[in-house]
Amino acid sequence: DARVTQTPRHKVTEMGQEVTMRCQPILGHNTVFWYRQTMMQGLELLAYFRNRAPLDDSGMPKDRFSAEMPDATLATLKIQPSEPRDSAVYFCASGSGLPEQYFGPGTRLTVT
Amino acid sequence: AQTVTQSQPEMSVQEAETVTLSCTYDTSESNYYLFWYKQPPSRQMILVIRQEAYKQQNATENRFSVNFQKAAKSFSLKISDSQLGDTAMYFCAFMEYGNKLVFGAGTILRVKS
Repeated sequence: DARVTQTPRHKVTEMGQEVTMRCQPILGHNTVFWYRQTMMQGLELLAYFRNRAPLDDSGMPKDRFSAEMPDATLATLKIQPSEPRDSAVYFCASGSGLPEQYFGPGTRLTVT
Repeated sequence: AQTVTQSQPEMSVQEAETVTLSCTYDTSESNYYLFWYKQPPSRQMILVIRQEAYKQQNATENRFSVNFQKAAKSFSLKISDSQLGDTAMYFCAFMEYGNKLVFGAGTILRVKS
């Protein structure tokens, strides 16, 4: 059963701490997207990669967020330092060149 | 920039009845895709249906169908024979091929027994 996995599912941290979220795309998918969902902004794209190369990270606050794909089976999203306004659900999605994107279960981040 | 508008924040429907969720979008592109995603309380994003802009025929998936009006830039979702399990947030989304999804604000649908 091919699916996108994300860890951790929940994360509570204090302001100023580093947060790392991980995503394993569906095997064989070459495009990975990071989305953030908040009550105020809804669902918005943070960054995406194709064949591990970053294509667009314009939605990401550059001073504190970073996204990487160390290899084809792992994508990471880091926040350093974290702030309360970063509290949200972070989704990873993967695709294979077809229009459909398949979403992971999300990481619910709470920064106190 | 593309925008997606869902003008109905909340809707409710009786079990077994039909409901239509509205969506409009704005783009200057001629080739694109439109989607409806369902997000139940579990938060999982589930693809409901997809429409290619070059296809005139409206997409259908079991109880779910769309009314795609390209000239009007309208893309509504019809759910027939509503079931309690259809209760969820529904997002309309736009995508140029291979690119990012742009989502609407969502419509909360409640199916009542």
